[in-house]
Amino acid sequence: RKEVEQDPGPFNVPEGATVAFNCTYSNSASQSFFWYRQDCRKEPKLLMSVYSSGNEDGRFTAQLNRASQYISLLIRDSKLSDSATYLCVPERAGSYQLTFGKGTKLSVIP
Amino acid sequence: EAGVTQSPTHLIKTRGQQATLRCSPISGHTSVYWYQQALGLGLQFLLWYDEGEERNRGNFPPRFSGRQFPNYSSELNVNALELEDSALYLCASRRDAPDTQYFGPGTRLTVL
Repeated sequence: RKEVEQDPGPFNVPEGATVAFNCTYSNSASQSFFWYRQDCRKEPKLLMSVYSSGNEDGRFTAQLNRASQYISLLIRDSKLSDSATYLCVPERAGSYQLTFGKGTKLSVIP
Repeated sequence: EAGVTQSPTHLIKTRGQQATLRCSPISGHTSVYWYQQALGLGLQFLLWYDEGEERNRGNFPPRFSGRQFPNYSSELNVNALELEDSALYLCASRRDAPDTQYFGPGTRLTVL
């Protein structure tokens, strides 16, 4: 079983739409969780941390369910600039090593 | 605050040669991580350095090695290059926990 599983997409959505991404992780020892975004042929950039209580940053809302080992990201009012690959990233306790899957590709269409 | 920097941006080598990639972390960050991202694949963890010591390495052969210098910059060396080593090599740095990792722009290595 892969350590991180995400629907690769692509998700093609119109501007202004709301889109949700889901992710499952297999390592129950994962301690912290993040969403990164990666533009084509660029480095990943931190989008937001994910907390058990859920957290919101502007148009972005992240949720964590430790019991189900499930993470989600909701993007409201999608912008063209949101087009990217979104990476759900668990961090291993102790080593702070990040585990990456292939991510979910989002294309926001005018 | 300056971000993570990497050099060179692009590197072209032939099979059997050696490649050296460099990384300078964000000021104040003591940990450096190296990742490989082959075309169409996710990031694969290569190496972790902290306070000058190698703390962990991923599932890569010994010809992938590196070091961290007293100023916390780091070098990744790949010996006996193979065609499948062609990839984007990303360096990330981190302060103490619970901060996360911040990535440099990467070095694109092409092996011909």
